[in-house]
Amino acid sequence: EIVMAQSPATLSVSPGERATLSCRASQSVSDNLAWYQQRPGQAPRLLIYGASTRATGVPARFSGSGSGTEFTLTISSLQSEDFAVYYCQQYNNWPPWTFGQGTKVEIK
Amino acid sequence: QVQLVESGGAVVQPGGSLRLSCAASGFTFSVYNMHWVRQAPGKGLEWVASIRFDGSDKYYTDSVKGRFTISRDNSKNTVYLQMISLRAEDTAVYYCAKPPYSSVWSYYFDSWGQGTLVTVSS
Repeated sequence: EIVMAQSPATLSVSPGERATLSCRASQSVSDNLAWYQQRPGQAPRLLIYGASTRATGVPARFSGSGSGTEFTLTISSLQSEDFAVYYCQQYNNWPPWTFGQGTKVEIK
Repeated sequence: QVQLVESGGAVVQPGGSLRLSCAASGFTFSVYNMHWVRQAPGKGLEWVASIRFDGSDKYYTDSVKGRFTISRDNSKNTVYLQMISLRAEDTAVYYCAKPPYSSVWSYYFDSWGQGTLVTVSS
């Protein structure tokens, strides 16, 4: 099983600032890595797939990078609606499809 | 547009059973593999089970093997999760999710339902 580790657990950022979230896989997942956003009380929403491709309707301030075992999600200028929990997920080796434990982006 | 609507969540005693349903619309359900993902209160996402588009292959996370059964009825555009011998640690919101392409496994989940809450408590 591939274990996904996200850091930090919580990120405190001021609106308008940049946020950088990390995700590490226990073994290479190539670029088969997705990022999801989950706001309180809502279902997860796909943001990024293929490590760097934005899903339909996702603002350009969200960008993903990395391959192999190290990945990054960057939010260039945080808006109020971006304060949420973000999860990475690998879909290279399955089952199981595995998620990171999440990074909560909170208002500083 | 794609819609996934889960139902069947309830409060159930330890050792009890429950069947969850996920009604799909807006896409050709019968050619898509489908998945269940759960989220315990205040915790992260955990993949639970998956079923091939024709029902011929099924996968489960280790902690539910032998207790949960995933199935589907393509004539009703519905995927099910039958849960028996429920434990407190099964308490979670259960989501159904679909991949972006038909009949493939190595993909992310591009659509999710709103979830249904299962609470296992005496």
